[in-house]
Amino acid sequence: DSGVTQTPKHLITATGQRVTLRCSPRSGDLSVYWYQQSLDQGLQFLIQYYNGEERAKGNILERFSAQQFPDLHSELNLSSLELGDSALYFCASSVEGLPREAQYFGPGTRLLVL
Amino acid sequence: DQQVKQNSPSLSVQEGRISILNCDYTNSMFDYFLWYKKYPAEGPTFLISISSIKDKNEDGRFTVFLNKSAKHLSLHIVPSQPGDSAVYFCAASASGNTGKLIFGQGTTLQVKP
Repeated sequence: DSGVTQTPKHLITATGQRVTLRCSPRSGDLSVYWYQQSLDQGLQFLIQYYNGEERAKGNILERFSAQQFPDLHSELNLSSLELGDSALYFCASSVEGLPREAQYFGPGTRLLVL
Repeated sequence: DQQVKQNSPSLSVQEGRISILNCDYTNSMFDYFLWYKKYPAEGPTFLISISSIKDKNEDGRFTVFLNKSAKHLSLHIVPSQPGDSAVYFCAASASGNTGKLIFGQGTTLQVKP
């Protein structure tokens, strides 16, 4: 158990819909990352927050947005869903959000868009 | 543009033998490399890392080697155990104010008893 929690574990929805994925970091970690893993692909970095502020952005679609709240939990919002958004979404956390820190991953949310 | 590549999708070895997983990168700005292990239905778990100022780092049965001139790193597992069967991801990061990781596609390791 990494200490990072993600809800829900599974999500099935239809094209055009909007969903929210939730992540709680390890106790003491100030930084949260979101990654997407599509079928047979590596994890793709989406976005990073540190103590409530956006720190880095990857190849995140404009239909996707995220935020980190004062209690440090984070939410990833996916809207106008398309079939290609079906993937595993992982949240990770680290203490300072800097290079050379190991990131601890949650179990992921499996999203299926029908 | 795949900046971190794991060209072998799968690897099968016998229990007790050495497992060697390979990873290549293209971005010269990467200076820290990590290996993660992933079991089905779980998130990746940090395994071992290496800084670009070193060429080898060891932790128990796991050793990572870095060849900067070739932009290549490898993970050696000796001896391999059936519990090592998992997907292994290589990841890289660059200096700066973000710890974002760039991952390879992963290699599925199967260790046969």
